[in-house]
Amino acid sequence: AQSVTQLGSHVSVSEGALVLLRCNYSSSVPPYLFWYVQYPNQGLQLLLKYTTGATLVKGINGFEAEFKKSETSFHLTKPSAHMSDAAEYFCAVTWVGNEKLTFGTGTRLTIIP
Amino acid sequence: KAGVTQTPRYLIKTRGQQVTLSCSPISGHRSVSWYQQTPGQGLQFLFEYFSETQRNKGNFPGRFSGRQFSNSRSEMNVSTLELGDSALYLCASSVYRGTQETQYFGPGTRLLVL
Repeated sequence: AQSVTQLGSHVSVSEGALVLLRCNYSSSVPPYLFWYVQYPNQGLQLLLKYTTGATLVKGINGFEAEFKKSETSFHLTKPSAHMSDAAEYFCAVTWVGNEKLTFGTGTRLTIIP
Repeated sequence: KAGVTQTPRYLIKTRGQQVTLSCSPISGHRSVSWYQQTPGQGLQFLFEYFSETQRNKGNFPGRFSGRQFSNSRSEMNVSTLELGDSALYLCASSVYRGTQETQYFGPGTRLLVL
């Protein structure tokens, strides 16, 4: 069965510091991987996704993630945190032939001024 | 193009009542999925409808049901509400290009059960 684990339900970083949100997946077939962001009182927005091709994926708002098959990871990073990055972030996985996303439990990112 | 809309945005009910939530997908999208989001469980898949037929179902009790109309609008119904049903209910509409699916989420309906 496919699953995704997000390490750390709460992460705090200082403004200007590196953001690293961890996501590990379990999949017996090549996965498609996603990061979503949810701002307070808003719906989910797709940040970025990996399907095939280049393993380093760039998304919106300066975020990027790297698919590492050997580590079964898809960690989300941003070089310099901004106050507007405070939100909840969800990693999700699916695969070819499946229609539904399996989500992680989310990581709440707090930015310290 | 308008996004996914959900109504109502906020709802307060009491235990034992039933509730119906509505979702209007993006024009032209035929797939609508429903998710429940709670702090303890994160996002959990409820069910998916495609062309008025339930195509996938998550692991939820029969109190949770849904349907889709010919215009792709979808409703989700929860009967005999329990305190644990308090959650954000998200609807997503999907478009498929070959095997590639892209989901667009609505803002959600926040349900509070007292």
